[in-house]
Amino acid sequence: DIVMTQSPFSLPVTPGEPASISCRSSQSLLHNNGYNYLDWYLQKPGQSPQLLIFLGSNRASGVPDRFSGSGSGTDFTLKISRVEAEDVGVYYCMQTRQTPLTFGGGTRVEIK
Amino acid sequence: QITLKESGPTLVKPTQTLTLTCTFSGFSLITNGAGVGWIRQPPGKALEWLALIYWDDDKRYSPSLKSSLTITKDTSKNQVVLKMTNMDPVDTGTYYCAHKTNSGFDHWGQGTLVTVSS
Repeated sequence: DIVMTQSPFSLPVTPGEPASISCRSSQSLLHNNGYNYLDWYLQKPGQSPQLLIFLGSNRASGVPDRFSGSGSGTDFTLKISRVEAEDVGVYYCMQTRQTPLTFGGGTRVEIK
Repeated sequence: QITLKESGPTLVKPTQTLTLTCTFSGFSLITNGAGVGWIRQPPGKALEWLALIYWDDDKRYSPSLKSSLTITKDTSKNQVVLKMTNMDPVDTGTYYCAHKTNSGFDHWGQGTLVTVSS
C-alpha cells in the first residue's frame, strides 16, 4: 500500500497570511502519462469532504484561486496564498495512483 | 447537478451485516470513466477508503476489508450498494459515498453515521 504522510498535524494561521501543507507518498504518484495522481480535500467542520485539487495541481470547479497544488513524484504541497476564516477545517491528501486508495492523516487548519 | 445520498441503518449489532445504499442523480454509471466510491470516517479520525465500482463493473476493495465487503450497482435505479459483513464496534463511523472520475472524488454525499453496538 502507498502510505501518505502529511505535515504539520496542526496549523494555526492568521487571516490574510499564507499557509502551506506538505504531503509525502511512500511511492511515486507520477504515472507515465505525465499526471501525478494526488488529490487534496478539505473537510470543513460538520461537513463532508470537498475536492480542492486533483491530479496534483488542478483546481476543482468553484475552488478559489488562492488555493494551489504543486509537486511531483513523492512530494506535494498545498498552498493557500491568503488564508480566510472560511478555510478552517481538516485538509487531506489522497493518492489515486493505485488501489488501495489511501489518504493522509489530515492537517487541521485553525485561525490563531 | 450531481447529488448523492447515503441511506441505511444507524445502529447495527456486532456480527451483523451492514447494507448501505447510495442513491445518486446527475450522472449515469454507464458513462465511460464514471465511478462511485465508499469512504468512511471513525469519529474524530481520518478518512479511509473502502471500495469503488466503475461504469464497466470493475470493482476495487480495500485489502484489509476485502473479505467483508461487497459493492454492487443498479444502473436502472441509479444506486450503488455496499455490504459489510461481521460488523464490529471499530466499524462505527460516518460512511460516505462519492462520485469519482479521473478528476478525483468531486461530489460527496452528506454521509450517514453508523454505530455498531449491542
